Amino acid sequence: NAGVTQTPKFRVLKTGQSMTLLCAQDMNHEYMYWYRQDPGMGLRLIHYSVGEGTTAKGEVPDGYNVSRLKKQNFLLGLESAAPSQTSVYFCASSSLGRGRETQYFGPGTRLLVL
Amino acid sequence: AQSVTQLDSQVPVFEEAPVELRCNYSSSVSVYLFWYVQYPNQGLQLLLKYLSGSTLVKGINGFEAEFNKSQTSFHLRKPSVHISDTAEYFCAVSMDFGNEKLTFGTGTRLTIIP
Repeated sequence: NAGVTQTPKFRVLKTGQSMTLLCAQDMNHEYMYWYRQDPGMGLRLIHYSVGEGTTAKGEVPDGYNVSRLKKQNFLLGLESAAPSQTSVYFCASSSLGRGRETQYFGPGTRLLVL
Repeated sequence: AQSVTQLDSQVPVFEEAPVELRCNYSSSVSVYLFWYVQYPNQGLQLLLKYLSGSTLVKGINGFEAEFNKSQTSFHLRKPSVHISDTAEYFCAVSMDFGNEKLTFGTGTRLTIIP
């Protein structure tokens, strides 16, 4: 099993450009999450999904959109990138959404917006 | 809403010395508590978690944590650290009913001095 994979690993964008980050999991998990990690701020939840075809906002959703067309994939889109979106983005998944479940993380995508 | 405080952003420790990383939480309801570890340039992985029962929880790589409800703490300990323990450690909390979301602390960077 590959677990949770993310593409791309690195990306540099100019302000105003768009891009999509792809997260894939092969554990048949129902729940998937997108976080951003910034120095001194820990991980903050951007959006999450409780199943195929559903999405919900997290703590910091502005400037991002998501889609979960297939159970194994969760896409994060930036329509018009801003320097404030420079960050490391992590995807995670869990089998169920109850608070007791372990989340499994991907290796991250490092994004620099100039 | 729940919150997590990790007071120490950086902790330097000599190799083979003991270490304690502090975590305090606040919540008006019962919680689940987690410690995740992030090795350099990797995603997060679960170290240990407290769900219920014994307040002393043992995790991977010789780490353990103790849940103290009266002090709302979940401190992480290891009796003898190794160079390979160099990483960032995140405490996280979720609520005890139907809540999909983890709230993370800001992280503690553990540096092992040879």
